[in-house]
Amino acid sequence: DAGVIQSPRHEVTEMGQEVTLRCKPISGHDYLFWYRQTMMRGLELLIYFNNNVPIDDSGMPEDRFSAKMPNASFSTLKIQPSEPRDSAVYFCASSLSAGGGYGYTFGSGTRLTVV
Amino acid sequence: RKEVEQDPGPFNVPEGATVAFNCTYSNSASQSFFWYRQDCRKEPKLLMSVYSSGNEDGRFTAQLNRASQYISLLIRDSKLSDSATYLCVDPGYSTLTFGKGTMLLVSP
Repeated sequence: DAGVIQSPRHEVTEMGQEVTLRCKPISGHDYLFWYRQTMMRGLELLIYFNNNVPIDDSGMPEDRFSAKMPNASFSTLKIQPSEPRDSAVYFCASSLSAGGGYGYTFGSGTRLTVV
Repeated sequence: RKEVEQDPGPFNVPEGATVAFNCTYSNSASQSFFWYRQDCRKEPKLLMSVYSSGNEDGRFTAQLNRASQYISLLIRDSKLSDSATYLCVDPGYSTLTFGKGTMLLVSP
């Protein structure tokens, strides 16, 4: 199994530009999560999906952020327009469950820098 | 609201030392936890689970104290490769809640 695959690994963009982050979960995992990690706030859950359906997006900072999961093997997180305070590492994770005993498997992350 | 609190460290220890971290949690209903390990500029990876009966995996021992609502991770005979940030995680009933992590630096 290739694990959770994220792209790009690094993204540098100018303020105001649109940024799209991509994720391929582990095959068979019904849950997909998008996290953001910063030094100040640690790992924050942005949104999660179950069977391609968004379940909880209460962690999405504002309307500039949107996420989709058109099928079981692909998800995107889009920021439009991007701002310098969006600079962070964005992780995608997948799991057999949302909580409980399985834990999550994380992708390698996308390091986003907005200048 | 679930919260997980950790001492950010860093804990600086020499090779071969024994080191312990604690983590406190607010959700009194939680009955099991995870410890994740995150290397610098890498993704978090599951290290071990923690139950009321405790858990031991080689040099690593995790304990859960539900009365005082804290979890501990003990690392014996520290190796240079143990240098990382250790994240305490409450699975709760919905999604995982991560602490901000404790950084461990093992020196020669």
